Amino acid sequence: QKEVEQNSGPLSVPEGAIASLNCTYSDRGSQSFFWYRQYSGKSPELIMFIYSNGDKEDGRFTAQLNKASQYVSLLIRDSQPSDSATYLCAVIRGSASKIIFGSGTRLSIRP
Amino acid sequence: ETGVTQTPRHLVMGMTNKKSLKCEQHLGHNAMYWYKQSAKKPLELMFVYNFKEQTENNSVPSRFSPECPNSSHLFLHLHTLQPEDSALYLCASSKGRDSLTNEKLFFGSGTQLSVL
Repeated sequence: QKEVEQNSGPLSVPEGAIASLNCTYSDRGSQSFFWYRQYSGKSPELIMFIYSNGDKEDGRFTAQLNKASQYVSLLIRDSQPSDSATYLCAVIRGSASKIIFGSGTRLSIRP
Repeated sequence: ETGVTQTPRHLVMGMTNKKSLKCEQHLGHNAMYWYKQSAKKPLELMFVYNFKEQTENNSVPSRFSPECPNSSHLFLHLHTLQPEDSALYLCASSKGRDSLTNEKLFFGSGTQLSVL
């Protein structure tokens, strides 16, 4: 079982709709959860982080964390073509403070 | 110059060559990282330095040798690499502290390495 699992996609969403990206993790002791966005040919950039159960909103982005289900998601409202990228889920394991990345989900916003 | 800068952007080397990748951060951070990114695979953590001390060596072959002379600079020395080592090598930094929990990473642009 992979430590951090994401559907590789591509996930195709019409412009203006809500894009929903999901991530599951295996270590129940994980403490910190991050979403990075990576455009093709570029390096990852941090867009959201969440530490507690529930929702966290920042502009068009909402991160959701459910530690009981070991599940973290990213919602992008009013999707724009500029949101087309690969989204990487990252988790810090509690035991070793080690940052583990998922393989990423490729998101495509169609006009 | 701001952020995290990596040089060179591209590198082609033979299996018998010796080369070095350089990373410099201008963010006042104290932790620096090397990651390897191969196609269709997750980012793989290679090495972590926190306040200049190596705190993580993720079972990386000895043909990769990191060096962190100070909190702003990080090197990855390469020798006798294999073709399967071809990948994008990303440097990152974070604030750094006793524990790296909650650390947010800032990445450089990466070095695209091809081993022939």
